[in-house]
Amino acid sequence: EPEVTQTPSHQVTQMGQEVILRCVPISNHLYFYWYRQILGQKVEFLVSFYNNEISEKSEIFDDQFSVERPDGSNFTLKIRSTKLEDSAMYFCASRLTGDQETQYFGPGTRLLVL
Amino acid sequence: DAKTTQPPSMDCAEGRAANLPCNHSTISGNEYVYWYRQIHSQGPQYIIHGLKNNETNEMASLIITEDRKSSTLILPHATLRDTAVYYCIVIRGTSYGKLTFGQGTILTVHP
Repeated sequence: EPEVTQTPSHQVTQMGQEVILRCVPISNHLYFYWYRQILGQKVEFLVSFYNNEISEKSEIFDDQFSVERPDGSNFTLKIRSTKLEDSAMYFCASRLTGDQETQYFGPGTRLLVL
Repeated sequence: DAKTTQPPSMDCAEGRAANLPCNHSTISGNEYVYWYRQIHSQGPQYIIHGLKNNETNEMASLIITEDRKSSTLILPHATLRDTAVYYCIVIRGTSYGKLTFGQGTILTVHP
């Protein structure tokens, strides 16, 4: 069964460093998402991406964040200058299309900012 | 998207049916009811969804009331591996698909 994959599974970085989280969505899907979950809190929407552009973003997704689909298979989330409060699980999701909104999530990347 | 209300926690004995309720009294006609679950800190896992008819798949059944103001997710024979947080999410069929997660229901399955 096709699935969303994410790399790395864990990343530790120093405050102020740039990180890139990678995702490979399900191959024929057209809509892509990033969510995050701070430890003990709810899963929060960050951004959605369709047709090579951001379709919606949350207040969390400020200028420090960017997304890119550099080729036909990868979808990345970049945090330019990490802060302590960026420590969280980051989940990528993808959706095929149409009026059925089933999103499939990857296993997540645990980011720890020191 | 309509707001949902779920009990914060529920218990179930292994092998018994787990019935997880969700209220969505402000749901509108083109909004779907989706159920996901999250085991530990893994990625949310899709379970089932429906619009107005009851639905069943290999994981669960979804019962939606006739007025669509509430629904129940049924795990027919719960196992220890079904211990997770279960999220009921209502979403319009024509949106870009942002999912808004609440606190969900922590289901604990006991031996």
